[in-house]
Amino acid sequence: QLQLQESGPGLVNPSETLSLTCTVSGGSINSHSYFWGWIRQPPGKGLEWIGNIYYSGNTHNNPSLRGRVSMSVDTSRNQLSLRLASVTAADVAIYYCASGRHGYSSGRYDFWGQGTLVTVSS
Amino acid sequence: EIVMTQSPVTMSVSPGETATLSCRASQNVNNNLAWYQQRPGQAPRLLIYGASSRATDIPARFSGSGSGTEFTLTISSLQSEDFAIYYCHQYNDWPPKFTFGQGTKLEIK
Repeated sequence: QLQLQESGPGLVNPSETLSLTCTVSGGSINSHSYFWGWIRQPPGKGLEWIGNIYYSGNTHNNPSLRGRVSMSVDTSRNQLSLRLASVTAADVAIYYCASGRHGYSSGRYDFWGQGTLVTVSS
Repeated sequence: EIVMTQSPVTMSVSPGETATLSCRASQNVNNNLAWYQQRPGQAPRLLIYGASSRATDIPARFSGSGSGTEFTLTISSLQSEDFAIYYCHQYNDWPPKFTFGQGTKLEIK
């Protein structure tokens, strides 16, 4: 059973870069059994997919975020990271990292972190 | 982008009764559809994947059906802990362009 825990600054200045880390336990981030993703949720609103990263290193992002997203993994620390550039008030949200199993019906998210709230303000 | 539309937005049901939630996709997503439950202050929890397969440790009172563009989540014998927000999620595209429905809030009547 994987456990995921997000961490990072809860407050980011407008136009700067949001950086979050997700620490994985209970399994290896290098495993071919899982893929990794980021999802966000503005306060009181629904879920928005940010992107996925795969064991191959390939990433796929939500086109609506216009190339502001980068994701990576650190296998030595069993962590994945998210960077979102040029943040505005529209980026205020709870950010979740999540993981899904490869295989049958791959794409759903089986495991979720508890989420971390990021506010954008000077 | 595939748009997922859930209905109703809010529904009020009495404990012990059955709730039927709907999710419609703007394009065919085959059976690449998941349902999540989100309780207040918590992360989403996977209930159903592949449109009809229950995730690990999910009670049998949760069932999913549908394929293509029309999907249903049925919750029978509603218990107090089932009153939450439910989201559908399509993961049919490759490369992935995942989208979620806007959610259905299930309230106690």
